[in-house]
Amino acid sequence: ETGVTQTPRHLVMGMTNKKSLKCEQHLGHNAMYWYKQSAKKPLELMFVYSLEERVENNSVPSRFSPECPNSSHLFLHLHTLQPEDSALYLCASTWGAGTGELFFGEGSRLTVL
Amino acid sequence: DQQVKQNSPSLSVQEGRISILNCDYTNSMFDYFLWYKKYPAEGPTFLISISSIKDKNEDGRFTVFLNKSAKHLSLHIVPSQPGDSAVYFCAASAGRGSTLGRLYFGRGTQLTVWP
Repeated sequence: ETGVTQTPRHLVMGMTNKKSLKCEQHLGHNAMYWYKQSAKKPLELMFVYSLEERVENNSVPSRFSPECPNSSHLFLHLHTLQPEDSALYLCASTWGAGTGELFFGEGSRLTVL
Repeated sequence: DQQVKQNSPSLSVQEGRISILNCDYTNSMFDYFLWYKKYPAEGPTFLISISSIKDKNEDGRFTVFLNKSAKHLSLHIVPSQPGDSAVYFCAASAGRGSTLGRLYFGRGTQLTVWP
């Protein structure tokens, strides 16, 4: 068990669907992240939440909408996605003033048809 | 513009030999460097790190070397084992303790260790 749990592990959706990815961490961290991993690209930071407040939005299109209701949960709401949004979406957490070591979940593999 | 580069997408090494994975960076403000390991269908897991005040950090079979003047770091695995076969990501951050874990990642290197 990694301490960071993501659901669903796999998701297939059409371009007109609305779906959500969920992340839960049991490590007592106060900062949570969404990363995107596309084929043959580096991990791309999407959003950073610290103490439930969004502190960074890395130029992500508005069709991705994050939500952090508390320090243990993070959601990524998806709507009207494009096929190029198909990727592995990784959630991570850490202590906000820590060393930068992130603890990752196993990822949600998203396919947009 | 990619600030952390792993120019070798793959590396194949025989079991028992040394694996050397390389990473270059461009941002001179980076002062903390990490290596992550990723198996298929799993998230990346932290492996080893090094601060810019050091030039070497060792943890068991894994050693990371940092050459600040060359903006280069490397991960040595010795002896390599088949279970080390995975994708290895290099990552860097600036301003340790103040960046909320803001890491810049390389594209990764697929290491294959064969018997």
